[in-house]
Amino acid sequence: DTEVTQTPKHLVMGMTNKKSLKCEQHMGHRAMYWYKQKAKKPPELMFVYSYEKLSINESVPSRFSPECPNSSLLNLHLHALQPEDSALYLCASSQDGRASNQPQHFGDGTRLSIL
Amino acid sequence: AQKVTQAQTEISVVEKEDVTLDCVYETRDTTYYLFWYKQPPSGELVFLIRRNSFDEQNEISGRYSWNFQKSTSSFNFTITASQVVDSAVYFCALSRRPIQGAQKLVFGQGTRLTINP
Repeated sequence: DTEVTQTPKHLVMGMTNKKSLKCEQHMGHRAMYWYKQKAKKPPELMFVYSYEKLSINESVPSRFSPECPNSSLLNLHLHALQPEDSALYLCASSQDGRASNQPQHFGDGTRLSIL
Repeated sequence: AQKVTQAQTEISVVEKEDVTLDCVYETRDTTYYLFWYKQPPSGELVFLIRRNSFDEQNEISGRYSWNFQKSTSSFNFTITASQVVDSAVYFCALSRRPIQGAQKLVFGQGTRLTINP
């Protein structure tokens, strides 16, 4: 079983809906990441939180809004998404985001479909 | 520029065959880290191995082995006596020194490995 838990596993939403993706880890990691992965492509980094502060935003459209309420939780709020936003959204965590030697541990992802 | 190339898009072999997945990287950093991840159909990326730029020792873990050659900027992954459960997409990734206070992974395009019974 993965140590990074993502909910929901699947999500279908209309373009006018508002929904949130959730991610939780209890490994004491202080860095958390959101990735977007399209079919047959590698994951693309969206956001990085390090010590609960947003460190990296890879020029992600504002219809995606991340939130890190505490060191164990990471949310991704979705609003007015487009069909091209349909993808697998992966959450990951690592012990310390300031260190480049730390492996990232991934959740199972949320498969998002925009109608 | 940081770049990872996995030239093999798809590989298909029969069970029990040995298979090698190639990974070539580019970086100007003197200190860097390389990773391999496995992504089964369930979606989760499973961490397999980390290698730092100063350690060129090959590593073996059961049926898995890794060959790191700095001279050719390669970090290849071999599965011996492959099994159907090895079927997955495998990603090689390079970790650059932290930018903006956070780690960024540069992924290769991935190799889809299919092991046929």
